[in-house]
Amino acid sequence: AQSVTQPDIHITVSEGASLELRCNYSYGATPYLFWYVQSPGQGLQLLLKYFSGDTLVQGIKGFEAEFKRSQSSFNLRKPSVHWSDAAEYFCAVHNAGGTSYGKLTFGQGTILTVHP
Amino acid sequence: KAGVTQTPRYLIKTRGQQVTLSCSPISGHRSVSWYQQTPGQGLQFLFEYFSETQRNKGNFPGRFSGRQFSNSRSEMNVSTLELGDSALYLCASSTDRLVSEQFFGPGTRLTVL
Repeated sequence: AQSVTQPDIHITVSEGASLELRCNYSYGATPYLFWYVQSPGQGLQLLLKYFSGDTLVQGIKGFEAEFKRSQSSFNLRKPSVHWSDAAEYFCAVHNAGGTSYGKLTFGQGTILTVHP
Repeated sequence: KAGVTQTPRYLIKTRGQQVTLSCSPISGHRSVSWYQQTPGQGLQFLFEYFSETQRNKGNFPGRFSGRQFSNSRSEMNVSTLELGDSALYLCASSTDRLVSEQFFGPGTRLTVL
């Protein structure tokens, strides 16, 4: 069964510092990968997605992610963090095969705290 | 385009009751997925509907059910509520491509007392 691991439960960075959130997946074929962000009490907002092609994908709010098949990773990065980036971030994978219609498998999430 | 809407936003129920949650997808989206989010279990897939048919179901008891209407709006129902059903219930809509990004609503916060 596919799975997603976000090793860091909580990360704290200073405003203006760079950020990298880790995501590892377990899936046999080429995965369809996503990063979502959730502010307290809100739904999930899609930051970016990887389906195929260029392994470095750009998203909204200045985020980017790199797909590395050899490491089964899809890490999220941002060169300079803003206080408004404080939220919880989720990595997700979609298995397009078989009967997995509409099912995203999520990691446990990483809470990002930004210090001024 | 309007986003995914969910009603109600908050619900308080007591054990043994049943509840119905509603989700209106983005216009033109025919796939609706439901998720349960709890601090302990994280985000877990409940089921997915497309063209009024349930195509996929997660590992939840039969007390959790859903349906989709011809206008793609979806409802989920939980019968005989338990304390452990307290959660944020999120619905997401997407196009009818095999794989596409899902757009989430704000969720319904259900508290079972």
